[in-house]
Amino acid sequence: ETGVTQSPTHLIKTRGQQVTLRCSSQSGHNTVSWYQQALGQGPQFIFQYYREEENGRGNFPPRFSGLQFPNYSSELNVNALELDDSALYLCASSPGAGSLPETQYFGPGTRLLVL
Amino acid sequence: GQQLNQSPQSMFIQEGEDVSMNCTSSSIFNTWLWYKQDPGEGPVLLIALYKAGELTSNGRLTAQFGITRKDSFLNISASIPSDVGIYFCAGRSVLGGSRLTFGEGTQLTVNP
Repeated sequence: ETGVTQSPTHLIKTRGQQVTLRCSSQSGHNTVSWYQQALGQGPQFIFQYYREEENGRGNFPPRFSGLQFPNYSSELNVNALELDDSALYLCASSPGAGSLPETQYFGPGTRLLVL
Repeated sequence: GQQLNQSPQSMFIQEGEDVSMNCTSSSIFNTWLWYKQDPGEGPVLLIALYKAGELTSNGRLTAQFGITRKDSFLNISASIPSDVGIYFCAGRSVLGGSRLTFGEGTQLTVNP
């Protein structure tokens, strides 16, 4: 069984640029959630995708957007990068938003640095 | 919005000691999860709790889902050096859909 994988592992961008982060969910999981973790803090929920549709969103501006593909992999896109976007971005997969109980399994994250 | 208060923020203990940390929420949760995160890595699930009063063990780790559904605790018995890391509680509110709300973490240091 393959766990959650994310790419790239590290990324450096400049303010105003755009970035795309990728996530492959664990085998058999159809739900992907994205979190932002600033240094020294707990992860903050960005949004969740279930069967290619957005299924809940946290308190993040519209320049944070996402996609989920038919194979349940997912992308997180951030436009007009700001310095405060520097963080570890975590992807978590789970068996299904419609099934209870739901447990989320995390990937290793992508470390984004905005200069 | 939902808030999770996790305490203590940090702990410094000797190898072999027992550890206890807890989380309280401002709203009722229907799921409590405990994760451990090592530097530069994603959180790793330790224990999942789904019912009020549930007590679950995973080796030297024991966690409980509080009766009020607004709190949970994690105990680690006979700590060892590899227990070092940041422990996070996370919960799913009955009003929050599928999102997880995380605590701020407990940094555990174990001195050999």
